[in-house]
Amino acid sequence: DAKTTQPNSMESNEEEPVHLPCNHSTISGTDYIHWYRQLPSQGPEYVIHGLTSNVNNRMASLAIAEDRKSSTLILHRATLRDAAVYYCILRDYAGGTSYGKLTFGQGTILTVHP
Amino acid sequence: EAQVTQNPRYLITVTGKKLTVTCSQNMNHEYMSWYRQDPGLGLRQIYYSMNVEVTDKGDVPEGYKVSRKEKRNFPLILESPSPNQTSLYFCASLKQGAGAHEQYFGPGTRLTVT
Repeated sequence: DAKTTQPNSMESNEEEPVHLPCNHSTISGTDYIHWYRQLPSQGPEYVIHGLTSNVNNRMASLAIAEDRKSSTLILHRATLRDAAVYYCILRDYAGGTSYGKLTFGQGTILTVHP
Repeated sequence: EAQVTQNPRYLITVTGKKLTVTCSQNMNHEYMSWYRQDPGLGLRQIYYSMNVEVTDKGDVPEGYKVSRKEKRNFPLILESPSPNQTSLYFCASLKQGAGAHEQYFGPGTRLTVT
């Protein structure tokens, strides 16, 4: 599986934008970039995904580098509820036994200050 | 409301006493899987199921069994639990197909084996 690298932790102030980086230099052409987050005492929660183009949804935006070797999850206005561990995950859509499997790394612990 | 439910949420048991953790989803998803989460090791996939009566091993299947007799249910069975299976367990489900990206996770089951 292609590996991702994220900073161990980041901090932000409430109401400010947060940019969470992820490096995935060995990404393959069939890998989608997914972001999940895990709030304290909860299961992981889907945030956003993308393949090549930048993506927006109600939770966040995903900016993908042109060479796809890195991406950035953008929370436009952080709230206290956004404090969580954020995971950047590559998922192979080429099929086979890896279908559906999410390989979680250590993620980035986001702390949001009031 | 789309959801994955797990029961029990907390369980303390003794070595060797068989137990089952239930998982149910109400989204008619074909794909279901089990993960365990341990400090420093992240989430690791135990077993997965592509559809009814189709199950396969994930990365850490030793000591676990699963069954998929109905589409909505995917129980995790520990026939002879041992202390090294003390962990936080998550069930997840995903709609099959190329356009499906959002994987739904249950709230987790914290298991302690003494």
